[in-house]
Amino acid sequence: GAVVSQHPSWVICKSGTSVKIECRSLDFQATTMFWYRQFPKQSLMLMATSNEGSKATYEQGVEKDKFLINHASLTLSTLTVTSAHPEDSSFYICSAPGVGYAEAFFGQGTRLTVV
Amino acid sequence: LAKTTQPISMDSYEGQEVNITCSHNNIATNDYITWYQQFPSQGPRFIIQGYKTKVTNEVASLFIPADRKSSTLSLPRVSLSDTAVYYCLVGDVSKLVFGAGTILRVKS
Repeated sequence: GAVVSQHPSWVICKSGTSVKIECRSLDFQATTMFWYRQFPKQSLMLMATSNEGSKATYEQGVEKDKFLINHASLTLSTLTVTSAHPEDSSFYICSAPGVGYAEAFFGQGTRLTVV
Repeated sequence: LAKTTQPISMDSYEGQEVNITCSHNNIATNDYITWYQQFPSQGPRFIIQGYKTKVTNEVASLFIPADRKSSTLSLPRVSLSDTAVYYCLVGDVSKLVFGAGTILRVKS
């Protein structure tokens, strides 16, 4: 099946700094990618939809200036957590839809810890 | 988007068949039903998808009654490695909305 790769798998950063997470579709093109956040013992929450060549669409309550999304190519979307704070510590997951939008392929996730 | 309801958790023993039922009363005519599996600190993994009746693949079966208001994921002969969270989703992937999922614990 199709593969979506995230990098890094985990990252620890100091409060106030910015962190960039990459999401790549390795063997297919993805004009759309999705970014989720998952807190411990909770379900995945959709944060935003990343669109190649255009602005991302953010879910209600998600600060677009804090979570910067760039989808510069058909195989790469990036999520930058700006001025990270401890409450941003979470598990971030990206996904890309397959052909016909019948199935979504998920990355392995990125564990962000802000200290 | 159709909301789904699943049991919060289930316990089973190795070798048993496990059936997880999901309710989706407001499913739309064009909606497919998809199940995902998630292990701790990993992204969800596709298990199976169906529209109606029964679908079977190498890891699971999916039973969907005629009214499509519910579906049942069947895992044959589970092993310890099947311990995970299982999510039932309805609709296309243009906007997947995850419910709470079902925590399946397989014991030896």
